[in-house]
Amino acid sequence: AQSVTQLGSHVSVSEGALVLLRCNYSSSVPPYLFWYVQYPNQGLQLLLKYTTGATLVKGINGFEAEFKKSETSFHLTKPSAHMSDAAEYFCAVSEPGNYQLIWGAGTKLIIKP
Amino acid sequence: SAVISQKPSRDICQRGTSLTIQCQVDSQVTMMFWYRQQPGQSLTLIATANQGSEATYESGFVIDKFPISRPNLTFSTLTVSNMSPEDSSIYLCSAATRGKNIQYFGAGTRLSVL
Repeated sequence: AQSVTQLGSHVSVSEGALVLLRCNYSSSVPPYLFWYVQYPNQGLQLLLKYTTGATLVKGINGFEAEFKKSETSFHLTKPSAHMSDAAEYFCAVSEPGNYQLIWGAGTKLIIKP
Repeated sequence: SAVISQKPSRDICQRGTSLTIQCQVDSQVTMMFWYRQQPGQSLTLIATANQGSEATYESGFVIDKFPISRPNLTFSTLTVSNMSPEDSSIYLCSAATRGKNIQYFGAGTRLSVL
């Protein structure tokens, strides 16, 4: 069975600082991995995804994530935080060809001025 | 990508009543899903809406409480029946196209039951 663990329900960083949101997964097959963002009172928006190929994936709004098979991780980073990045971030995993997503608990990103 | 319109965006309902939430996609999609998101929590899958057949419900969710329709490849409804305050939540619709393995989401319906 697949599962996703997001370390830290809340992460606080200063504006301009590095953003690092952690995601670890378990899967018996090579997974597809996703990061979604949810701004207040909105639905979810896909930030980036990993399916196959290059392990460093670039997404929207300056975010990127690296698939590390040996560490079963897919951490999300952004070099310089902006106030507009304040939101809830969800990591999710699926099996190739299976449309159902297994979701992490979410991490609320707080940006300090 | 698919653009998903969900309505109503929010509602306040009385205990014992029912609410039907609509989800319209701007293109034909293979899969449509309904989720519940309780305040400050992650997403819980309610069911997969299958076109032309009964929805597939996850453990803990039943058709009598959450009847779902999907009459075509672009539209689905979720009804929350005989509501109680415990049904207060955000309900989200998503859609995916075969071969793309990406779910696109509507903005959600924020439901409060008094």
